Amino acid sequence: EAQVTQNPRYLITVTGKKLTVTCSQNMNHEYMSWYRQDPGLGLRQIYYSMNVEVTDKGDVPEGYKVSRKEKRNFPLILESPSPNQTSLYFCASSDRGSNTDTQYFGPGTRLTVL
Amino acid sequence: AQSVSQHNHHVILSEAASLELGCNYSYGGTVNLFWYVQYPGQHLQLLLKYFSGDPLVKGIKGFEAEFIKSKFSFNLRKPSVQWSDTAEYFCAVNGAPGGYQKVTFGTGTKLQVIP
Repeated sequence: EAQVTQNPRYLITVTGKKLTVTCSQNMNHEYMSWYRQDPGLGLRQIYYSMNVEVTDKGDVPEGYKVSRKEKRNFPLILESPSPNQTSLYFCASSDRGSNTDTQYFGPGTRLTVL
Repeated sequence: AQSVSQHNHHVILSEAASLELGCNYSYGGTVNLFWYVQYPGQHLQLLLKYFSGDPLVKGIKGFEAEFIKSKFSFNLRKPSVQWSDTAEYFCAVNGAPGGYQKVTFGTGTKLQVIP
């Protein structure tokens, strides 16, 4: 089954404790992206990747890092999480990042930073 | 930078009523437009998209949207809603000026359909 998976689905952590949210897709997509969803703000793009070793900032990259060492994986790293990073995070992928391609979204990771 | 406005934050309709959700974007260059839906407890999925050709786009589950370039709008419509359409709807744009890699979403419209 074609899908985007994220782990963990739920995470409660404390300020400053490094964490990684994994994202994996099995569709051989070149383009992957991370978003955060906050009430009243919709989805905002954090980082995206056009291919292996090619990443770029979205609209809200501060406090986040990403890496793309393999085509299928695109982990989101919070080196020193803060309470304002409490949010619902979605990973998405699409084929070649073409302007006509649909993004396929993962199930989301709900992060709470205390 | 591109911005997307969804003016209706929360819409309540009775079953069989007609639906129109507004979406306006700010940059008038070459853009591609999307509507995504998020059912309760589920992840986002594509309803429909426009990238060229006929400005009236038909999507899944009876939804359609019309691209009006002169108004920078891409409104979503459905002639008769069902209870199962209760969800949050997001308009999204990619393309100029940030390039198609950058996707800008609206703030979403929560639709509640009353049986």
